[in-house]
Amino acid sequence: DTEVTQTPKHLVMGMTNKKSLKCEQHMGHRAMYWYKQKAKKPPELMFVYSYEKLSINESVPSRFSPECPNSSLLNLHLHALQPEDSALYLCASSQGDRSYGYTFGSGTRLTVV
Amino acid sequence: AQSVTQPDIHITVSEGASLELRCNYSYGATPYLFWYVQSPGQGLQLLLKYFSGDTLVQGIKGFEAEFKRSQSSFNLRKPSVHWSDAAEYFCAVGTNTDKLIFGTGTRLQVFP
Repeated sequence: DTEVTQTPKHLVMGMTNKKSLKCEQHMGHRAMYWYKQKAKKPPELMFVYSYEKLSINESVPSRFSPECPNSSLLNLHLHALQPEDSALYLCASSQGDRSYGYTFGSGTRLTVV
Repeated sequence: AQSVTQPDIHITVSEGASLELRCNYSYGATPYLFWYVQSPGQGLQLLLKYFSGDTLVQGIKGFEAEFKRSQSSFNLRKPSVHWSDAAEYFCAVGTNTDKLIFGTGTRLQVFP
């Protein structure tokens, strides 16, 4: 298995809702990442988990809450989002050695109404 | 500061023509360089990477890139473009802090 699987593919939520994005990989990668991508922009790093521990938080608002239950799973819990949070959310994983690059999932298209 | 510059926002080529996408980086140490491709609404797919050895690297889908340290460049090339190559292309540098820094991207349009 050489894929990163993200669910759901599309999500529409209201500003008072609570929802979660899920990401799964079975490549034995030790690092997992959340990126946010706005239209016509490059991905922006949000969080990095290394060996299931949060190692980087790029000053992301607390309405985004990451969780890494085990080495294969990564969640992003969403609460009280704003319309400007609408974007493509990408999950990625890596072996942790930067020479290998990242493997990206196909993303969750989030719309906040 | 670490950065990646892709000077061309949008490039249009005819199918069958050759292609070169430019990428310049700024990084103090030995750079780990990548090219990714993204189709609309999709994730990013790794085309190729460089971190040492031969400065001309081969990737998937017939792409290649050449690392030129003297010019701080890592340009992507393809000898003959196919209509299916139309997509957004991102150059990126891997840092020693587990971050991947992306350029702003180049949108490739292919005319039949």
